[in-house]
Amino acid sequence: AQSVTQLDSQVPVFEEAPVELRCNYSSSVSVYLFWYVQYPNQGLQLLLKYLSGSTLVKGINGFEAEFNKSQTSFHLRKPSVHISDTAEYFCAVRATGFQKLVFGTGTRLLVSP
Amino acid sequence: ETGVTQSPTHLIKTRGQQVTLRCSSQSGHNTVSWYQQALGQGPQFIFQYYREEENGRGNFPPRFSGLQFPNYSSELNVNALELDDSALYLCASSLAGSRGPYEQYFGPGTRLTVT
Repeated sequence: AQSVTQLDSQVPVFEEAPVELRCNYSSSVSVYLFWYVQYPNQGLQLLLKYLSGSTLVKGINGFEAEFNKSQTSFHLRKPSVHISDTAEYFCAVRATGFQKLVFGTGTRLLVSP
Repeated sequence: ETGVTQSPTHLIKTRGQQVTLRCSSQSGHNTVSWYQQALGQGPQFIFQYYREEENGRGNFPPRFSGLQFPNYSSELNVNALELDDSALYLCASSLAGSRGPYEQYFGPGTRLTVT
């Protein structure tokens, strides 16, 4: 079975500051890793994914994440956030060969001027 | 290319009633997964349908059931509604086959409130 831990339930940050949202996972098998963003009253939008290869993954809206197998982490980063980045961010894993996504509890990113 | 759509957007039901939620998958996709997202929580996997058959189920009771139609659209049915069934129900479609890893595309969700 897989599990995901998002260590911060809420991260406040000022506009144009850098941000890191932390994600750790647990799995006995190989997994794919994902970050999704959810704006208020909307569904989930894929930000980026790690499937294989380079451990640094770049996504949409200037976000990137680094896969660290030894630390079982997949932290999300952005060098300079905008007000429009205010949303809920979910880290998710999926065992290779299966389609079920296992999500963390989410991190609310609050960007203020 | 049409994205994933869900209907209705919002729904209010009374405890004990039954509800049907609908999902149209993205063009070309043959797999639909359903997730329940309670307030303040991450989505939880309910089940998945592939070629009209259930293909994996999460920890949900049998009163949660589903269907997939030949055009790959899907329904989620919940019988004997309980207050704890109040949640956002998300549908995700993907293309399963010999090539992985089958990225899932989510719809906007249906907000179900049980009173």
